Amino acid sequence: DTGVSQNPRHKITKRGQNVTFRCDPISEHNRLYWYRQTLGQGPEFLTYFQNEAQLEKSRLLSDRFSAERPKGSFSTLEIQRTEQGDSAMYLCASSFTPVTGDSNQPQHFGDGTRLSIL
Amino acid sequence: SQQGEEDPQALSIQEGENATMNCSYKTSINNLQWYRQNSGRGLVHLILIRSNEREKHSGRLRVTLDTSKKSSSLLITASRAADTASYFCATDAWEGAQKLVFGQGTRLTINP
Repeated sequence: DTGVSQNPRHKITKRGQNVTFRCDPISEHNRLYWYRQTLGQGPEFLTYFQNEAQLEKSRLLSDRFSAERPKGSFSTLEIQRTEQGDSAMYLCASSFTPVTGDSNQPQHFGDGTRLSIL
Repeated sequence: SQQGEEDPQALSIQEGENATMNCSYKTSINNLQWYRQNSGRGLVHLILIRSNEREKHSGRLRVTLDTSKKSSSLLITASRAADTASYFCATDAWEGAQKLVFGQGTRLTINP
């Protein structure tokens, strides 16, 4: 059973650089979520996809952030012109939520990408 | 913004004892979920309780939900050293946003 896979696990970069993270969800999961978690806090929702459609974006997702899920499978999260405040763990989760029927479904998380901005 | 608040923020008990963590939230919900997170790792789903359910069990876990008080509790019985982790409650709001809103978590330490 392959779970949610995130790459890279760690990313260290200088302020002002662009970074891109990848998430491979559990196959056949139609929903994919991105969260951000800072030290000592719970995860905060950033955005989610139903198949390839991005259905909701948090206010936390400034215009420097962009997420894609081009074929409804893997997803990428790009941060442009990184800032110190972007340092965090970026978590991806996936779920299978039927179009009709029970929408109460758990989310399955990857181990995250830890971003450190120098 | 954080929806819920976990109480206590940290809990340290002896192996074999029971651990109880509480969660309060603010808005109406579709369901409430509990997750565990080991240091430096992702979150592991433990249990989901729907808004029309009051209690749910899974192995050594027991979750209660009181929607009138907007609160939930997670009980871990016969704790083990491997239960050492942070525990988070997360709510799925009734508005159907399909996003989880997490509390700040309870850091549980089981002493051998």
